Amino acid sequence: QQPVQSPQAVILREGEDAVINCSSSKALYSVHWYRQKHGEAPVFLMILLKGGEQKGHEKISASFNEKKQQSSLYLTASQLSYSGTYFCGTELDSGYALNFGKGTSLLVTP
Amino acid sequence: NAGVTQTPKFRVLKTGQSMTLLCAQDMNHEYMYWYRQDPGMGLRLIHYSVGEGTTAKGEVPDGYNVSRLKKQNFLLGLESAAPSQTSVYFCASRVGQTNNEQFFGPGTRLTVL
Repeated sequence: QQPVQSPQAVILREGEDAVINCSSSKALYSVHWYRQKHGEAPVFLMILLKGGEQKGHEKISASFNEKKQQSSLYLTASQLSYSGTYFCGTELDSGYALNFGKGTSLLVTP
Repeated sequence: NAGVTQTPKFRVLKTGQSMTLLCAQDMNHEYMYWYRQDPGMGLRLIHYSVGEGTTAKGEVPDGYNVSRLKKQNFLLGLESAAPSQTSVYFCASRVGQTNNEQFFGPGTRLTVL
């Protein structure tokens, strides 16, 4: 049930854009996105719900394709503070817990 | 609000020893979770609880037991620790299902020798 994330890692220069993808083989109720800095706990960024509702971050956007069970996280005009590992967590219609992907490591350089 | 707290922050065990990790939340959340994080593996769900007195298995439950005797606490037990259980353990909680974020604790780094 673990969703698949891509790419595994990406290196950007400050100001560049990035897209992180998350896909599931099962029908999803929601997709959550979290960012984790080294040695810290994951921090919530965004929730996308079946039906299009979206809650979360002002400077980061995301999409959820219900037909394909795929979500993408869009990081535009990246800042140094965006560096970290990004995880998607997926929730099934009948589920009570999130299953997380293996993560995407993002490094933003000056 | 302290949010989600975990005790202890670090622990070193010898193979075969037992221990209990404590997770506490002061947000009156119904749902609580235990995850383990290993390099390159992401966050894997061990056990979870959807309310006081209830528990359920997650993706990797073997070798662990849990209890939720009080709504605010979720305990993770290792009866006979093995080196394969060396990991960082995160507890999380949320209000309930549907459009609610999970709040994570700071983690417990466990090493089993």
